[in-house]
Amino acid sequence: AQKITQTQPGMFVQEKEAVTLDCTYDTSDQSYGLFWYKQPSSGEMIFLIYQGSYDEQNATEGRYSLNFQKARKSANLVISASQLGDSAMYFCAMRAYSGAGSYQLTFGKGTKLSVIP
Amino acid sequence: DAGITQSPRHKVTETGTPVTLRCHQTENHRYMYWYRQDPGHGLRLIHYSYGVKDTDKGEVSDGYSVSRSKTEDFLLTLESATSSQTSVYFCAISESLAVRNTEAFFGQGTRLTVV
Repeated sequence: AQKITQTQPGMFVQEKEAVTLDCTYDTSDQSYGLFWYKQPSSGEMIFLIYQGSYDEQNATEGRYSLNFQKARKSANLVISASQLGDSAMYFCAMRAYSGAGSYQLTFGKGTKLSVIP
Repeated sequence: DAGITQSPRHKVTETGTPVTLRCHQTENHRYMYWYRQDPGHGLRLIHYSYGVKDTDKGEVSDGYSVSRSKTEDFLLTLESATSSQTSVYFCAISESLAVRNTEAFFGQGTRLTVV
């Protein structure tokens, strides 16, 4: 079974500072993918960044980067130069094979990030 | 934006009544998922489908059933609604998670209240 753990229910960061949101995962698969989603107060789910298990380099998308440490099974999201609009819930998710030719997408419980002016 | 529509967007129903939520996509994606979102629990997978008439259970499937008779529609049915099923329900679609870097696209959510 796959599991995603986000240990920080809530975090605060000063505007323009960098922040790291933690995510650890557990899977027995060798091939898997890790995703981060943002959910603002309006409720929609917004895809941010993806990291494949075989990717040697950490993924980056603008101000978002994924600190992937495979041996430690961690996939932390780093947001640089925080903005007020970054205040939201952030979810880490993992795609892994679930048998019978199908894949599941499993989410963590989320971290609520608040950016302070 | 991915073409994915959930209906209804809001619903209030009474305990013991059956309820069906609909997810409709125009992307011809293979995978469709139903999640529920509750405070402190994140998104939990209820059921998912990896093709027409191909479905499987997620971690919180008790009390729910699904059907997918055509590619574009994935229905979630609460057979006899209970107050514990009060939640926000999200549908998601994905072309194929076997393909690298294929994210899931989400619907706008359905807020269900069981009274």
